[in-house]
Amino acid sequence: EADIYQTPRYLVIGTGKKITLECSQTMGHDKMYWYQQDPGMELHLIHYSYGVNSTEKGDLSSESTVSRIRTEHFPLTLESARPSHTSQYLCASSRPLRGTDTQYFGPGTRLTVL
Amino acid sequence: QKEVEQNSGPLSVPEGAIASLNCTYSDRVSQSFFWYRQYSGKSPELIMSIYSNGDKEDGRFTAQLNKASQYVSLLIRDSQPSDSATYLCAVKGRDDKIIFGKGTRLHILP
Repeated sequence: EADIYQTPRYLVIGTGKKITLECSQTMGHDKMYWYQQDPGMELHLIHYSYGVNSTEKGDLSSESTVSRIRTEHFPLTLESARPSHTSQYLCASSRPLRGTDTQYFGPGTRLTVL
Repeated sequence: QKEVEQNSGPLSVPEGAIASLNCTYSDRVSQSFFWYRQYSGKSPELIMSIYSNGDKEDGRFTAQLNKASQYVSLLIRDSQPSDSATYLCAVKGRDDKIIFGKGTRLHILP
């Protein structure tokens, strides 16, 4: 079982607030990812990191930012939340090993912006 | 053309029958392929990975890969109601990114 954690699991917040979604993993994985997924819809990669001090934007434009100061920690920050940010945010990590690159997902944070 | 394509479904299969889920991909140099299961409101969980042409079996699940046809499939034997979920195909492309398909909704009829 993958050891990847996300907090909070659920968050309801007002427009304009700054929020940080936490993601941590204890597997020592180099790669970490943030996905956004609306109910019944596909996964959209919004940020990824291949290691400490490495961050890249994904395929879906996002107003969020990320940081990777420690291997195990990959927080996502929204400076000013808006109702359009309402979604499920999924964190994942992986370690390429002998050609494999299996991603393990956290339980997700369901964000509602009023 | 989408990089990873799946029929969105829903695919309805009677309990006990074989469910067949299909996925095509556009990048010929892709080397790694994954099937994830996602229950409603939950996060995806890995079912199987496959890297070589042919079949790979794990319990009731069989993944099939045909690189020449750029096609990967997942067979679920003896389908159970608990198999009802969305199944995501994922492919690792040339730029080392993993691309997910939109998923196929599977419904097992009791």
